[in-house]
This record gives sequence, structure tokens and C-alpha cells, in this order.
Amino acid sequence: DAKTTQPPSMDCAEGRAANLPCNHSTISGNEYVYWYRQIHSQGPQYIIHGLKNNETNEMASLIITEDRKSSTLILPHATLRDTAVYYCIVRAWNSGNTPLVFGKGTRLSVIA
Amino acid sequence: EPEVTQTPSHQVTQMGQEVILRCVPISNHLYFYWYRQILGQKVEFLVSFYNNEISEKSEIFDDQFSVERPDGSNFTLKIRSTKLEDSAMYFCASRDQTALGGNTEAFFGQGTRLTVV
Repeated sequence: DAKTTQPPSMDCAEGRAANLPCNHSTISGNEYVYWYRQIHSQGPQYIIHGLKNNETNEMASLIITEDRKSSTLILPHATLRDTAVYYCIVRAWNSGNTPLVFGKGTRLSVIA
Repeated sequence: EPEVTQTPSHQVTQMGQEVILRCVPISNHLYFYWYRQILGQKVEFLVSFYNNEISEKSEIFDDQFSVERPDGSNFTLKIRSTKLEDSAMYFCASRDQTALGGNTEAFFGQGTRLTVV
């Protein structure tokens, strides 16, 4: 099972920042934090990943605490299309063909 | 932008029949996966495939399941004798690796909805 803990659900007002937390207190030194999302039974979609530095791309920002035991995915201006289940997954950088293991994730509802 | 393509998008089959779900991974990717998602449940790993052989499989992937990469572009999942409980969304995924052998992100197809009646 995934070694992460996420709240089961969250709401966010459209246009506001959505901050999705993830606890990964047993993360080891060579493990990255990955975020994926799944919009209404579509295939999971990669969002972002990071090791220890904060990361930003066109979709989101990832803030990882200094002790790396938790992280937050930030969608800076949430839209209705961001309504989805968001998965936080930890995975070693060099884990070969070890598959992604999906937990239950956080169901984010963006409200107009 | 390259994408993973799955066909068909929907498949209805009679219990006991064989089905083949097809996937075209992104062309330069090396690692291939099948996942399934029963309605309302988690995305579950089935099998991973690399260098023309199975790398890892879950308990779900029993003797009724098989995978094949017949022609260097397609990646198929066969269910030999379908059961009602095989009804689910099936997702194919592929990924590349970095020059140093590390992981890159996985790209998922849009899935095949299999309904066994």
C-alpha cells in the first residue's frame, strides 16, 4: 500500500488556491513525492514530483517540508475542471519497474 | 503531445468469453503497465512489463490474465474467461527512464470500460 496519508475530501472555491496536504512520515532519502490526479474515471494524469526542493510547473506547485515528512500540492487558481481525485505517491527514484501504488487520494471539489 | 491510446473505449462481453484489450504506448517508452479500477474503488496495479517480459504482477493477475507486446508497438491484456467481477475500467500506462536509469512520470491511457454480463 501507498505510504502516504491524505484527507478523503476537500472543497475549494473557484479561483482560490487549493492546498492539498499529504503526510509521508516514513519517506526515505531516495524517495520522491509524486502527485497524480484522476478526473472522473479518466486515466490518472501526472501533475508534479519533487525530492526536497519546492517545485513549480504550469499545473501546480509542490511544497515539501524541510524534514520531508509532509508536502502540499498547490493549485494556485482552482477551476471547475480541477475537480478530481488527487493522489500523493512516494517512490524511489531508481525503483526500476516498480509500479505506482495508488491509495484512496483526496477528492477535491471545486465549487463555483 | 504524445499519448497512450487504448481501444476499444467500451467492451461488453458475455461471461466466460475471452477479451483482448489493446494499448499503444508512447513510442520511445520502455516500461508498460496495466491497472484496473472497479467502479468506486481504487486504481489497482495488475502487471508491469519490460524488455518483453513481465517484471511484476499483483495477486489479481492470475492465470486468466496474460499480456503481450506482439509487434513492438501494441501492448495487449487478455482475459481468457471473463467473470462478472472482471467488470472494471482497465488502464494502460507507459513510461520512459532517465539517462541515469531513474524514473520518469507514467502516462496513462483513457481506459477501456469492460462490462461482463
